[in-house]
Amino acid sequence: QVHLTESGGGVVQPGGSLRLSCVGSAFTFSAFGMHWVRQAPGKGLEWVAIIWYDGSEKYYGDSVKGRFTISRDNFKNTVFLEMNNLRAEDTAIYYCVREEIHIVQGVPQPGLGTHWFDTWGQGALVTVSS
Amino acid sequence: QSALIQPRSVSGSPGQSVTISCTGTSSEVGGYDYVSWYQQSPGKAPKVIIYDVTKRPSGVPYRFSGSKSGNTASLTISGLQAEDEADYYCCSSTGSYTWVFGGGTKVTVL
Repeated sequence: QVHLTESGGGVVQPGGSLRLSCVGSAFTFSAFGMHWVRQAPGKGLEWVAIIWYDGSEKYYGDSVKGRFTISRDNFKNTVFLEMNNLRAEDTAIYYCVREEIHIVQGVPQPGLGTHWFDTWGQGALVTVSS
Repeated sequence: QSALIQPRSVSGSPGQSVTISCTGTSSEVGGYDYVSWYQQSPGKAPKVIIYDVTKRPSGVPYRFSGSKSGNTASLTISGLQAEDEADYYCCSSTGSYTWVFGGGTKVTVL
């Protein structure tokens, strides 16, 4: 069964740093673009970042650009989110999310994303507080 | 990257239909057929129920349907059931490799 498992959440002071990890299992990790989506307590979903299947391209939401860095290690089936200069408003559950890929004549197309999210992790809570 | 606009809440009795709107701009919702909808129950991760504006993933009940007109997408739940009570979020990619979610709509089954 396809699974995503986040780790690395915790409490950090304003201005501090934290790195989240997400391990994928039961699928060909290197074929899929991976995202991070966050949800502040009692609030809605906010898209944070994407990294392409091969790590060649990365894009970020405006609120984290310049402070967060997404990366991946396809040998370890892991995607990371390095978060620096953290602010109180970064407090949220951070979900690791897989973007589905196109299947052509029954064959999955690595890197050919579909623009929707088919698998979500259980989330990692990050609390920024002094 | 402003959030897409959704009503804060909608409600209906069992068996009724409810529709949730999702309004954006021509830069996302109106410009691409990449609108998806996610259902989130309390304490759980979101789950996709509609993608590419109108398509349902395998296992999602037929009573969930999606549509779009101009810059507004809509999710309709026909034959509302108690288990449909949840938060619903629309999402659209922007064509520049960024995504934007709606603010979320709480569906209450009366």
